[in-house]
Amino acid sequence: AQKVTQAQTEISVVEKEDVTLDCVYETRDTTYYLFWYKQPPSGELVFLIRRNSFDEQNEISGRYSWNFQKSTSSFNFTITASQVVDSAVYFCALSEAIGTYKYIFGTGTRLKVLA
Amino acid sequence: GAGVSQSPSNKVTEKGKDVELRCDPISGHTALYWYRQSLGQGLEFLIYFQGNSAPDKSGLPSDRFSAERTGGSVSTLTIQRTQQEDSAVYLCASTTWAGSQETQYFGPGTRLLVL
Repeated sequence: AQKVTQAQTEISVVEKEDVTLDCVYETRDTTYYLFWYKQPPSGELVFLIRRNSFDEQNEISGRYSWNFQKSTSSFNFTITASQVVDSAVYFCALSEAIGTYKYIFGTGTRLKVLA
Repeated sequence: GAGVSQSPSNKVTEKGKDVELRCDPISGHTALYWYRQSLGQGLEFLIYFQGNSAPDKSGLPSDRFSAERTGGSVSTLTIQRTQQEDSAVYLCASTTWAGSQETQYFGPGTRLLVL
């Protein structure tokens, strides 16, 4: 069965600190996709990144970076030099590959960045 | 606006009443999802529409829940005889494909409170 675990329910950091959000997944599929979404207070989930299971290269986008490690079934998300606007709930999600469409979401991590 | 819209944004109803939640997807997006987000929980898949294919209703929690999508565009999620445990945020997402990769775009959600 597929499962996504975000063990950190809530994290508080002071502005400019780095913070890492953990995501651990379970799947029997060899081909799958992993996602991160941001849900700001407005409620609308915003897509951040998709990673397929064959691409373990880490990715950096501005202050955001993602570390995908199949050996530990983890897809962690790091925000460097956090800002107050980063405050949101962040969801990690897993989807099977082409031909299926069900996304399994973690329970989310609420990030509070304090000024 | 070019995003996914949902109405109403908030709905308060009495136990036992029926409610209808509406989703207007992004024009041209052929796939549409409904999710339920309960307090402190991740997103729970409810139903999936893809083009003219029969919808996948496997996530609907009971026969009190139903959804339809008219003309391949607007979708309505109906909850009959609402119960207090139906209180949640109901999120709609439409998707676009780039090659073999699907990206979901979420609406702001409808916050349902059943008294």
